[in-house]
Amino acid sequence: DAGVTQSPTHLIKTRGQHVTLRCSPISGHKSVSWYQQVLGQGPQFIFQYYEKEERGRGNFPDRFSARQFPNYSSELNVNALLLGDSALYLCASSLSIGTGNTIYFGEGSWLTVV
Amino acid sequence: AQSVTQLDSQVPVFEEAPVELRCNYSSSVSVYLFWYVQYPNQGLQLLLKYLSGSTLVKGINGFEAEFNKSQTSFHLRKPSVHISDTAEYFCAVVGGAGTALIFGKGTTLSVSS
Repeated sequence: DAGVTQSPTHLIKTRGQHVTLRCSPISGHKSVSWYQQVLGQGPQFIFQYYEKEERGRGNFPDRFSARQFPNYSSELNVNALLLGDSALYLCASSLSIGTGNTIYFGEGSWLTVV
Repeated sequence: AQSVTQLDSQVPVFEEAPVELRCNYSSSVSVYLFWYVQYPNQGLQLLLKYLSGSTLVKGINGFEAEFNKSQTSFHLRKPSVHISDTAEYFCAVVGGAGTALIFGKGTTLSVSS
């Protein structure tokens, strides 16, 4: 079975632009989460979605938004990009929410803002 | 609030030597702990997890970790490392009301021959 797939793998944007990152969870997984990993740091939680509803939000500005589609895939949108948004964006999926669920990560989307 | 502290930012070791990567946690609720590994330019892979039960948890690639409630620690160990174990290792705890993971800053394990 395919793992968590993310696209694009790499992209370069200019300050002020908008970006959309996409994620397909493992087949059967209904929960998707997004994390931001700045170089040299651990991943930081951005959003969690379950059954198309937002179930958790990290400490990120309103420029960050996300949604989950009926097929459980997800998009992360970032508006008005700043240089500090340059990072690896990781998508993760799990069967459900709840602490016993193993969270599986994709390979990530590398975003560079210039 | 939940948090984790990885006590070593870098751990250099020689091949076939034992290694311990240290992680302390802080949690006001039930504790669920994880170790993930990140190879260069890749995503995160789960090594092992502690949810409940036995305090000694065995994971993939010969790694194991021990949950110590009194010391609030969850150190990762391997009795004999290989060059291929060179990677970034992250300790994480489930935080908040959902299943969001709170990660430490990571420990770079460098194995040399």
